[in-house]
Amino acid sequence: AQSVTQLGSHVSVSEGALVLLRCNYSSSVPPYLFWYVQYPNQGLQLLLKYTSAATLVKGINGFEAEFKKSETSFHLTKPSAHMSDAAEYFCAVSDGTGGFKTIFGAGTRLFVKA
Amino acid sequence: DVKVTQSSRYLVKRTGEKVFLECVQDMDHENMFWYRQDPGLGLRLIYFSYDVKMKEKGDIPEGYSVSREKKERFSLILESASTNQTSMYLCASSLLAGDTDTQYFGPGTRLTVL
Repeated sequence: AQSVTQLGSHVSVSEGALVLLRCNYSSSVPPYLFWYVQYPNQGLQLLLKYTSAATLVKGINGFEAEFKKSETSFHLTKPSAHMSDAAEYFCAVSDGTGGFKTIFGAGTRLFVKA
Repeated sequence: DVKVTQSSRYLVKRTGEKVFLECVQDMDHENMFWYRQDPGLGLRLIYFSYDVKMKEKGDIPEGYSVSREKKERFSLILESASTNQTSMYLCASSLLAGDTDTQYFGPGTRLTVL
């Protein structure tokens, strides 16, 4: 069975500081891994995804994530936080069968301080 | 640009009312999903559909039903709304195959049941 754990329901950083949002997964098959972002009062938007090509994945708005199979991790980073990055971020894992078995983490809310 | 729309952004209903939430996608996607989002619980799958008139239960189908009469439209029905169904409801769609299980989300409907 697949599962996703996001460490920390809330993360607070200062503007210009490094953003690190942690995600660990378990999957019995090679997974697809996703980060989605949800801005206030909006639906989820794809930030980036890992599909077994490059282990370092670059997404929109300067975010990137690295797939580490040995650590079963897919942490999201951004070198320099911007106020507009304040949002909720969801890590998700899927088994490639069409999305029916996509499992979402509980979410991490990112606060950015001026 | 891909588009998933939901009929209402905010909805207030009374206990016992029948509630319809509508979702329309313009991407010719085979798969459509209804999720419920609650703080600290992430997204939980209520129902999904992989074709017209086809539906499958997700993780929390109790108290809900769905209808998919046309490929582009997927409706969520609360037969008799209860206060514990107050939540954010998100609709999503995806291709049956070939897009690495990426889901595209609507803006959400925030439902309050009084």
